[in-house]
Amino acid sequence: AQSVAQPEDQVNVAEGNPLTVKCTYSVSGNPYLFWYVQYPNRGLQFLLKYITGDNLVKGSYGFEAEFNKSQTSFHLKKPSALVSDSALYFCAVKTGGFKTIFGAGTRLFVKA
Amino acid sequence: SQTIHQWPATLVQPVGSPLSLECTVEGTSNPNLYWYRQAAGRGLQLLFYSVGIGQISSEVPQNLSASRPQDRQFILSSKKLLLSDSGFYLCAWGAIAGAEQFFGPGTRLTVL
Repeated sequence: AQSVAQPEDQVNVAEGNPLTVKCTYSVSGNPYLFWYVQYPNRGLQFLLKYITGDNLVKGSYGFEAEFNKSQTSFHLKKPSALVSDSALYFCAVKTGGFKTIFGAGTRLFVKA
Repeated sequence: SQTIHQWPATLVQPVGSPLSLECTVEGTSNPNLYWYRQAAGRGLQLLFYSVGIGQISSEVPQNLSASRPQDRQFILSSKKLLLSDSGFYLCAWGAIAGAEQFFGPGTRLTVL
């Protein structure tokens, strides 16, 4: 069965510092991997995806993610965090079907 | 460009009352459509998905139902609401099976 794990409920980082939000997955077959962000009382917004190709994927708002097949990870990163990056982040996976499996979410707090 | 609408934005309903939440998509044809429920601002639970008019797949047996009367319209319904139906309901669309999903603004449902 497919699954996604986000091991941290919350990540705290100071503004200007680099941030990492972790994600590991378990699938049979080649995964499609996604990151989404959710601001309070809003729907999720798509940030970036990995389908194939370069393991480093760049997305919206300066975010990037690195696909590591051997570690089955897809960590979200940003070189310099902003207070406005504070939100709930979801990692998601699918293997070509219609359903996407979402992680439980990681709340990011960026302190000024 | 594509847009997705959900209404109402908030809803307070008594236990035992009926429910109808509507989702419409503009700017695309034959989208895959999804209903999710998010409890307590965390993980997403897939409720229903649809790959075409009149085609509904249910993920979780419960007192909710979904219908797709038109290509870009997706409706979530209940004949009698339960307290446990409270939550944040999100509609999403995706272009093809492996693609990212785009979410609507959500409906906050409170059942009293």
